Amino acid sequence: ETGVTQTPRHLVMGMTNKKSLKCEQHLGHNAMYWYKQSAKKPLELMFVYNFKEQTENNSVPSRFSPECPNSSHLFLHLHTLQPEDSALYLCASSQEITVVGEAFFGQGTRLTVV
Amino acid sequence: QQQVKQSPQSLIVQKGGISIINCAYENTAFDYFPWYQQFPGKGPALLIAIRPDVSEKKEGRFTISFNKSAKQFSLHIMDSQPGDSATYFCAASARTGGSYIPTFGRGTSLIVHP
Repeated sequence: ETGVTQTPRHLVMGMTNKKSLKCEQHLGHNAMYWYKQSAKKPLELMFVYNFKEQTENNSVPSRFSPECPNSSHLFLHLHTLQPEDSALYLCASSQEITVVGEAFFGQGTRLTVV
Repeated sequence: QQQVKQSPQSLIVQKGGISIINCAYENTAFDYFPWYQQFPGKGPALLIAIRPDVSEKKEGRFTISFNKSAKQFSLHIMDSQPGDSATYFCAASARTGGSYIPTFGRGTSLIVHP
């Protein structure tokens, strides 16, 4: 256990569905991240929150909507996804983005869009 | 634009051999270079990291070699074991815009045969 918990571990959804991914960290960190991991591609940074404020949105389509109600929880709301959005979605946390150091990752949510 | 180039994409090594994974970067502002290890079904976890003020860092069987002038760094796994079979990601980050957010390479899938 890394202290970062993601649910669900697996998700299959249709293109017209709405679902949410949840991430919770118990490390007292102030920065949280969403990454997309596709086969044979670099980890793609999607969103960054620092002290609950969104600091990065790397040109992510609006069908992905993040929410960070507090420093311990991060959500990724999904709607009208495309098959190419199928991937492993990883949540990570770190002390804060202005401090160099380790990012702790969750185990990811394996998303399949059918 | 891929800021951190990682090679090889896959690597097969016999037990007891040396595994070498290479990364190159362009951004001279990068000043923190971590390596992450990812086992199937798990998120990446920090393995070892280096700052550019040293040319080598060793932790057990794992060594990072850093060549600042060539803008290259590499991971050496000595006496490779089947349990080392995983995907390895190099990363780099710099405090640009006030934040350390890592940029990841594409990953190297390492298989160590018994």
